[in-house]
Amino acid sequence: RKEVEQDPGPFNVPEGATVAFNCTYSNSASQSFFWYRQDCRKEPKLLMSVYSSGNEDGRFTAQLNRASQYISLLIRDSKLSDSATYLCVVNTGGGSNYKLTFGKGTLLTVNP
Amino acid sequence: NAGVMQNPRHLVRRRGQEARLRCSPMKGHSHVYWYRQLPEEGLKFMVYLQKENIIDESGMPKERFSAEFPKEGPSILRIQQVVRGDSAAYFCASSPHRTSYEQYFGPGTRLTVT
Repeated sequence: RKEVEQDPGPFNVPEGATVAFNCTYSNSASQSFFWYRQDCRKEPKLLMSVYSSGNEDGRFTAQLNRASQYISLLIRDSKLSDSATYLCVVNTGGGSNYKLTFGKGTLLTVNP
Repeated sequence: NAGVMQNPRHLVRRRGQEARLRCSPMKGHSHVYWYRQLPEEGLKFMVYLQKENIIDESGMPKERFSAEFPKEGPSILRIQQVVRGDSAAYFCASSPHRTSYEQYFGPGTRLTVT
């Protein structure tokens, strides 16, 4: 099983649609969870951290289910500018709490 | 406040040549991380350095790859005798502390080996 596995995508949605991305991780000792966004041929940028209680930032909602080792990202009212690759990122914690493990990413294209 | 800087942005090397990638962390950051992104793959951790120290190089290939972060100057990722499989985007990140959520990424160096 891969350390971090995401929906393979790609996702093509119209403007205004709601889209959800799923991610699973294999290491039950993982402590921190994030969604990053990566535009084509650019560096990854932190979109939001993911907390056990779930958290929301504007149109973006992230959820974490530790029992199922599952993370999700929901984007509401999608905009053209949301087109990017979304990366699920996990930190294994412990003595290596600096080490980020990235999923392969899910490509989202929002169409006019 | 300048972000993480990497240069060159694009680097073309022939097989067998050496590649040197440089990373200047954000001001005030003393922790540097290198990640590699192969085509169609996710970013993979390579090495974690502090000034003059390699803390964790568990993600570095055993041969041909080395990294340093001297007391003065940028961090350097060096690849000797490059092969086609080394073609990838190499990203550097920095943080003020040893915590992952504060890692800020540079724009990357795209290495192409011909």
